[in-house]
Amino acid sequence: NAGVTQTPKFRILKIGQSMTLQCTQDMNHNYMYWYRQDPGMGLKLIYYSVGAGITDKGEVPNGYNVSRSTTEDFPLRLELAAPSQTSVYFCASSYEGNTEAFFGQGTRLTVV
Amino acid sequence: KQEVTQIPAALSVPEGENLVLNCSFTDSAIYNLQWFRQDPGKGLTSLLLIQSSQREQTSGRLNASLDKSSGRSTLYIAASQPGDSATYLCAVSKGNTPLVFGKGTRLSVIA
Repeated sequence: NAGVTQTPKFRILKIGQSMTLQCTQDMNHNYMYWYRQDPGMGLKLIYYSVGAGITDKGEVPNGYNVSRSTTEDFPLRLELAAPSQTSVYFCASSYEGNTEAFFGQGTRLTVV
Repeated sequence: KQEVTQIPAALSVPEGENLVLNCSFTDSAIYNLQWFRQDPGKGLTSLLLIQSSQREQTSGRLNASLDKSSGRSTLYIAASQPGDSATYLCAVSKGNTPLVFGKGTRLSVIA
């Protein structure tokens, strides 16, 4: 059972570079989410999607973009990396908004 | 805005002890509450999901309760083991909105 798969696991970026964090799920879930986790700060929602073609901002969307062209994939794009985006990023999915959520293993991103 | 608080932030107990982790939330109009476990450097693993109509859920040595009216949930771990050492996070959802997380309780079970 693959569940939620995130790639890459680790990445170091230079300031101003761009990259895409990949997330795919094989559970036919409608809802997908991106969170970031900073030490001692819990998880904060960046963007989420309730289905293909529909995305919405979370608490901390600035500096990020998303798209949802298929049910399975929900990539997160960083256009101009900044040191403040150094964090651990988690992708998650659920069948509906009030059902059990499943998380990927995370991407640890460092911007230098 | 929903806020979720977990107390204590860290807890250290000897092996075999029963323990309780606390979670409180400010908006009682939730649809569900979920408890997760996170090991260092790893993702989140779902432990228990309590729907708003339920009062508790059990899985093995874990029991989670929910009191919506007071905005509280507890996670009870029976006969703790060193393998239970991890960070435990609670999160709440209102309607079809995404989960809002607490900052977690870091548990250490000493052999």
